Amino acid sequence: KNQVEQSPQSLIILEGKNCTLQCNYTVSPFSNLRWYKQDTGRGPVSLTIMTFSENTKSNGRYTATLDADTKQSSLHITASQLSDSASYICVVSWLSGGFQKLVFGTGTRLLVSP
Amino acid sequence: GAGVSQSPSNKVTEKGKDVELRCDPISGHTALYWYRQSLGQGLEFLIYFQGNSAPDKSGLPSDRFSAERTGGSVSTLTIQRTQQEDSAVYLCASSLEVSAEQYFGPGTRLTVT
Repeated sequence: KNQVEQSPQSLIILEGKNCTLQCNYTVSPFSNLRWYKQDTGRGPVSLTIMTFSENTKSNGRYTATLDADTKQSSLHITASQLSDSASYICVVSWLSGGFQKLVFGTGTRLLVSP
Repeated sequence: GAGVSQSPSNKVTEKGKDVELRCDPISGHTALYWYRQSLGQGLEFLIYFQGNSAPDKSGLPSDRFSAERTGGSVSTLTIQRTQQEDSAVYLCASSLEVSAEQYFGPGTRLTVT
């Protein structure tokens, strides 16, 4: 069964500190992996997209890594800010009948405290 | 330009009533997707449109759920005879084409009492 698991479920860090969120998946055949940020009451917003040939991708203070062999990804947030408080969702896509299907993780809820 | 918009933002309805949720995709985006996000759960795929046709309806939970898209633009998700387990946030996304990045709307929070 295609699944995406994320850890931890929730995390509290002090402003300015770094953190790393984890994503493990069993999706096959793999197309790409995305990390989304979802603020409360808003739709998800894409942070990074990686194909199987990419093992790292950065977007400002966000750096995602991908190990396609172990089917693991991480999202590292550097020098956290209060505005980073949100849910971070790992999404893995696979191709089925020409259509890119998405499997969503349940997310990690991050709270950055002052 | 404008992003994906959805209406209403909130909807409270009585069990057994029908509801219609609307999605306005980004202009020019040919693909449109509906998802459901229940409390504490991940996003669940419902249906996808390429133009006005729906090649994949596999995520619709029951025959009470239906969706249509007209003019390759606006889409409506209809839930008939709503049940309490239908309470969730319904998210719409659109993309330039099937394999492209999906942009999400703010969602419609549906509460069935």
